[in-house]
Amino acid sequence: SQQGEEDPQALSIQEGENATMNCSYKTSINNLQWYRQNSGRGLVHLILIRSNEREKHSGRLRVTLDTSKKSSSLLITASRAADTASYFCQTASYFCANRGGSNYKLTFGKGTLLTVNP
Amino acid sequence: DADVTQTPRNRITKTGKRIMLECSQTKGHDRMYWYRQDPGLGLRLIYYSFDVKDINKGEISDGYSVSRQAQAKFSLSLESAIPNQTALYFCATSDLSANEQFFGPGTRLTVL
Repeated sequence: SQQGEEDPQALSIQEGENATMNCSYKTSINNLQWYRQNSGRGLVHLILIRSNEREKHSGRLRVTLDTSKKSSSLLITASRAADTASYFCQTASYFCANRGGSNYKLTFGKGTLLTVNP
Repeated sequence: DADVTQTPRNRITKTGKRIMLECSQTKGHDRMYWYRQDPGLGLRLIYYSFDVKDINKGEISDGYSVSRQAQAKFSLSLESAIPNQTALYFCATSDLSANEQFFGPGTRLTVL
């Protein structure tokens, strides 16, 4: 099953409004990242937040992380038509496997499709 | 030139055929990844490699194999393609910090 689950699945707003997307996950993580994907194209990294951080900003983006609730939110302020895209959260977990090895788990959510109407 | 390239960009094949998807990067990153994307399911990790001698299975490795020919090259093979492997496949790279992944443009694979 997916580690990350975005909410809502789709969001339609007017240009200038703020857009908020949420991501919930199930197990402990080392960091959480948000990516953007324009239709059928590769993903582009937006922002990373580590498990010991609660909030980060980058331009019009604001990300929060609540590890007690296992959730993160991405806020895009003053949205533009060019922000129309799908947004995905990705969680990264590092853990020790059996017999002294280590392992690394990367999981994407299913994404939120954001439409910003001009 | 793009930092992460994938070939082919589109491929239509028949059930049972062997298919290889190739990924090359010029970013000098040690870590490379293969994902598949299906509508409504997001991206799922197939295999990843932390360096030339390191290959690890991801969430959905069954039916796939990989080869890390060099630091810059990571190929994904479908030994005997089946229709439910129809998907969009992405290669990605990251440096040792693994904080940010850089994605290729994707390969759209259709198995008839």
